[in-house]
Amino acid sequence: DMKVTQMPRYLIKRMGENVLLECGQDMSHETMYWYRQDPGLGLQLIYISYDVDSNSEGDIPKGYRVSRKKREHFSLILDSAKTNQTSVYFCASSPGTGKRNTEVFFGKGTRLTVV
Amino acid sequence: GDSVTQTEGQVALSEEDFLTIHCNYSASGYPALFWYVQYPGEGPQFLFRASRDKEKGSSRGFEATYNKEATSFHLQKASVQESDSAVYYCALSALRGKLIFGQGTKLSIKP
Repeated sequence: DMKVTQMPRYLIKRMGENVLLECGQDMSHETMYWYRQDPGLGLQLIYISYDVDSNSEGDIPKGYRVSRKKREHFSLILDSAKTNQTSVYFCASSPGTGKRNTEVFFGKGTRLTVV
Repeated sequence: GDSVTQTEGQVALSEEDFLTIHCNYSASGYPALFWYVQYPGEGPQFLFRASRDKEKGSSRGFEATYNKEATSFHLQKASVQESDSAVYYCALSALRGKLIFGQGTKLSIKP
């Protein structure tokens, strides 16, 4: 069964704490993504990864970093979380590296609240 | 940079109504265009794509035609059902596989 799995699904953190969001996929896809979703703004790309240790900034990378040490896993790290990072975070994957018309598969999301 | 604009933030219809959700894009190259659908508690799901001018993409009764001159990819369905209630996203593929989304349109269908 092809899927993207995100853990945890819900998370509450205090301002200033570090946050680790984890994502796995079982499709051996080369490309993986992290997006955040906010009302009225849609989905905004934080980072894209083309393979192990080959990561590139998206449109809103400030305050985030990523790690990809295995093709199947892609982590999003918030060092010293801020209240404006409260959002729903989606991980996604797609086959191929940088191909323009391939389908992207999304996980169910992690709802992060920073208080 | 590349961008996608969806005109309607929310659309409310009755069953069997005709649906149009407007999508316009701005891109420096020749992007592929997509529609994704998101149900509550789920991530977005691929609906269909079009890769070249005048190509029609379609799935589950929904369709859209790539219009390069008008820079548009409007979503249409002839007769909506209550089960179509969801958030719909238009998206384009930018350089190196980056997928850029519009703001989303929440579709509500009354039975």
